[in-house]
Amino acid sequence: GENVEQHPSTLSVQEGDSAVIKCTYSDSASNYFPWYKQELGKGPQLIIDIRSNVGEKKDQRIAVTLNKTAKHFSLHITETQPEDSAVYFCAASKTGRRALTFGSGTRLQVQP
Amino acid sequence: SAVISQKPSRDICQRGTSLTIQCQVDSQVTMMFWYRQQPGQSLTLIATANQGSEATYESGFVIDKFPISRPNLTFSTLTVSNMSPEDSSIYLCSVEDPNSGANVLTFGAGSRLTVL
Repeated sequence: GENVEQHPSTLSVQEGDSAVIKCTYSDSASNYFPWYKQELGKGPQLIIDIRSNVGEKKDQRIAVTLNKTAKHFSLHITETQPEDSAVYFCAASKTGRRALTFGSGTRLQVQP
Repeated sequence: SAVISQKPSRDICQRGTSLTIQCQVDSQVTMMFWYRQQPGQSLTLIATANQGSEATYESGFVIDKFPISRPNLTFSTLTVSNMSPEDSSIYLCSVEDPNSGANVLTFGAGSRLTVL
């Protein structure tokens, strides 16, 4: 089955800096790659996603890039703010298997 | 997007007992998923629950331990049976959002179980 690896496990940045979280996947048939943000005591919330027919997607301060050849994708957060502090999960799925396989998570701390 | 309500939000349970978690969605959805998140860990899929068919369990999860019901397109339950401290986790209901495209999952807030 699919295996998703995520790095780093923790990331601390100063407010205003950029943060990058990276994931690799094993199943070349995977074609959907979402990122979720989980705050303490809450369920994961989708923040951005990308499908395999595009290489990059942006939504304000958040962007995701996908390299299908290398089977890796990354989350980029620019101009970080304290409210960006949370655990971020990458995930992957494919046509025919709708459930997501998650990475191990990255705890992002933005220092004011 | 779909709104998911889970009950209970948290509970403290005694070893050997069973607890049923309810998941209610505000719209009809075909695919529902149950995930487990152990303390400080990632999300692991327990099973996929489609209305009108038996749930499909992932490797390492069995129906006797985690029976699931899916009586209609807006509701599902997950029971954690004969609990032990190792079952202390957050259990999350998730649905494929019908308004957001294939594979896009929305999650409930989770049910945090502590087994003593």
